[in-house]
Amino acid sequence: EVQLVESGGGLVKPGGSLRLSCAASGFTFSSYSMNWVRQAPGKGLEWVSSISSSSSYIYYADSVKGRFTISRDNAKNSLYLQMNSLRAEDTAVYYCARGGRWLQLDYWGQGTLVTVSS
Amino acid sequence: DIQMTQSPSSLSASVGDRVTITCRASQSISSYLNWYQQKPGKAPKLLIYAASSLQSGVPSRFSGSGSGTDFTLTISSLQPEDFATYYCQQSYSTPPFTFGQGTRLEIK
Repeated sequence: EVQLVESGGGLVKPGGSLRLSCAASGFTFSSYSMNWVRQAPGKGLEWVSSISSSSSYIYYADSVKGRFTISRDNAKNSLYLQMNSLRAEDTAVYYCARGGRWLQLDYWGQGTLVTVSS
Repeated sequence: DIQMTQSPSSLSASVGDRVTITCRASQSISSYLNWYQQKPGKAPKLLIYAASSLQSGVPSRFSGSGSGTDFTLTISSLQPEDFATYYCQQSYSTPPFTFGQGTRLEIK
C-alpha cells in the first residue's frame, strides 16, 4: 500500500524557516517524481514544487522561487521542502504527492499545517 | 503559465442527478488533464488522469472527456458520498502544473 506521511509543520514567525519531510513507503520511491502542493485555509490547491526521480529536474512556483528548496533522499525514501523567509501568505496545509506517468498526482499524504504568524 | 478555469464554481444537485463540470485551459494541453475530488479536512484524491482514464478504485460513474483546451468531468448518477469539491489540473510539459479554482458540489 502506498503511503506518504508528512511532518515538520508548525507555527513560525515571519522571516523564519521550516523544513518539511515526507516519508514514503509501499512503492519504489526512486522511480517516481514527487511534488509539494499547498492549500491556504479556505482556498484552492496550489502546486508548489516538483522534483524528478533522480533529482535532475526541479521546478518551483513563482510564489516560492528563491525561498523554498525541494530535495529528496532516495536511500531514505524521503522528500523534503526547506522553506526560508516565510511569509504570512505561506500559511497553508502542505501535501506531498507522487507523480504518475502522465505527471498526475496519484497518491497524496494527509498534509501538514504550516502557520506563519507573529 | 497555463491558466485553468473551471465552471461552475459551485453547483447544487440531488442524489441520482447527472452532473457535468467543465474545465478550460488557456492554451492547448493535449490530454494532460487530471481531476481530483476533495472532501473537507481530507487530502485530494485522484479520480481521472490523462483526460479520460479512470484511476484504479474509482467508481465507474465518474468519467472524463476532452482534449486540447476543453474538458469535462461527468458524474452519471450522484451518490451521497460524491458531495465534495472537484479540481482540474494540467500536467502538460514543464511546471507549473496549475489547478482550476475548484467546483463545490452541494446537496440540493
